[in-house]
Amino acid sequence: NAGVTQTPKFRVLKTGQSMTLLCAQDMNHEYMYWYRQDPGMGLRLIHYSVGEGTTAKGEVPDGYNVSRLKKQNFLLGLESAAPSQTSVYFCASSTYRQARNTIYFGEGSWLTVV
Amino acid sequence: SQQGEEDPQALSIQEGENATMNCSYKTSINNLQWYRQNSGRGLVHLILIRSNEREKHSGRLRVTLDTSKKSSSLLITASRAADTASYFCATDEDTGGFKTIFGAGTRLFVKA
Repeated sequence: NAGVTQTPKFRVLKTGQSMTLLCAQDMNHEYMYWYRQDPGMGLRLIHYSVGEGTTAKGEVPDGYNVSRLKKQNFLLGLESAAPSQTSVYFCASSTYRQARNTIYFGEGSWLTVV
Repeated sequence: SQQGEEDPQALSIQEGENATMNCSYKTSINNLQWYRQNSGRGLVHLILIRSNEREKHSGRLRVTLDTSKKSSSLLITASRAADTASYFCATDEDTGGFKTIFGAGTRLFVKA
């Protein structure tokens, strides 16, 4: 049982390049999330999904796109990377039942945009 | 703006001492959770307290919730060097939705 797996773990991009972060969960969770973590800012929600084929914007969605073609996968895309997108990205998943929403996190993806 | 905000931002204590971290939030919530993050790792869930609960225990952890003051505290008793980590509170807004909002965290350093 791997939980939530993110790839790649580290990546350096040049400004304007595109890339996709991959997230997979093996817990059959309905909900999946992408957060970014910056120093002193906590975690900010980028996009989330409440089920296969659905996505929604979080707090900081600009510059990112997502897709949930399969229940177990949630992809985060950067179409034209900017230095402001240098951050640590965390994928997470959960099952939401009766107001209990324990979130399970991946180990993070460190992205640097130069 | 962030829903949950932790206080203090950083805390340094000796092994064996108790560590207390506080969290304040702004809107009505369904529940409040505490997470731990070791350096360079993902967040790990510690404990969840519902809006109709006032106190909860899990091992050396004690969480209180005061909905009238919109605040929560996390107490770690008899701290150990291995407790060194960042601790985050997270709240689920009571809007019929499910978004979980995290605070900026408290960095705890336990000296051996």
